[in-house]
Amino acid sequence: QKEVEQDPGPLSVPEGAIVSLNCTYSNSAFQYFMWYRQYSRKGPELLMYTYSSGNKEDGRFTAQVDKSSKYISLFIRDSQPSDSATYLCAMSRAGGTSYGKLTFGQGTILTVHP
Amino acid sequence: GAVVSQHPSWVICKSGTSVKIECRSLDFQATTMFWYRQFPKQSLMLMATSNEGSKATYEQGVEKDKFLINHASLTLSTLTVTSAHPEDSSFYICSIMTAFGEQYFGPGTRLTVT
Repeated sequence: QKEVEQDPGPLSVPEGAIVSLNCTYSNSAFQYFMWYRQYSRKGPELLMYTYSSGNKEDGRFTAQVDKSSKYISLFIRDSQPSDSATYLCAMSRAGGTSYGKLTFGQGTILTVHP
Repeated sequence: GAVVSQHPSWVICKSGTSVKIECRSLDFQATTMFWYRQFPKQSLMLMATSNEGSKATYEQGVEKDKFLINHASLTLSTLTVTSAHPEDSSFYICSIMTAFGEQYFGPGTRLTVT
């Protein structure tokens, strides 16, 4: 069993739709949670960074963390064709020799069509 | 967020030769940098943690004599792939971590070994 599970999709939605992306994890030592967007042949771009259960909003993006269920989500409102990319969840442990080492999900390929 | 550059963006080399990849933090002094590798249609896998002024620490299964890492300053880390083989062809991406635990990635370097 992988430490982080993410549905690879692909996911195709019409422009303006609300997109929901999810990851589950098995290791309760993960304390920091991130969402990245990666365009083809580019480095990942940090979208959201959270470290506590609850919601965090930034523009059209909302990150949700439920540590009790070991489940994180990213919601994209009013999706645009420019949002078409691969979305990666990532998480890391707090402190110790593993601090900062990210474990990634498999990535979800999203296409937003006009 | 922090700005990270990588050079070169794409390199082709012959089997048996060595290739050096540079990772620069342009607006942030990074005591810790990370090196990841990404194969086509796969997620990122951590290779090693690069610490300024000390030896890098490698993840299990990564050959430290093959992937030489030098973190000579707070803004520069280099990854040298020695005696490259076709199976080393991949997308190599570095990241820097801020004091708040956020990680920002470079644009990546595509290595093709013929």
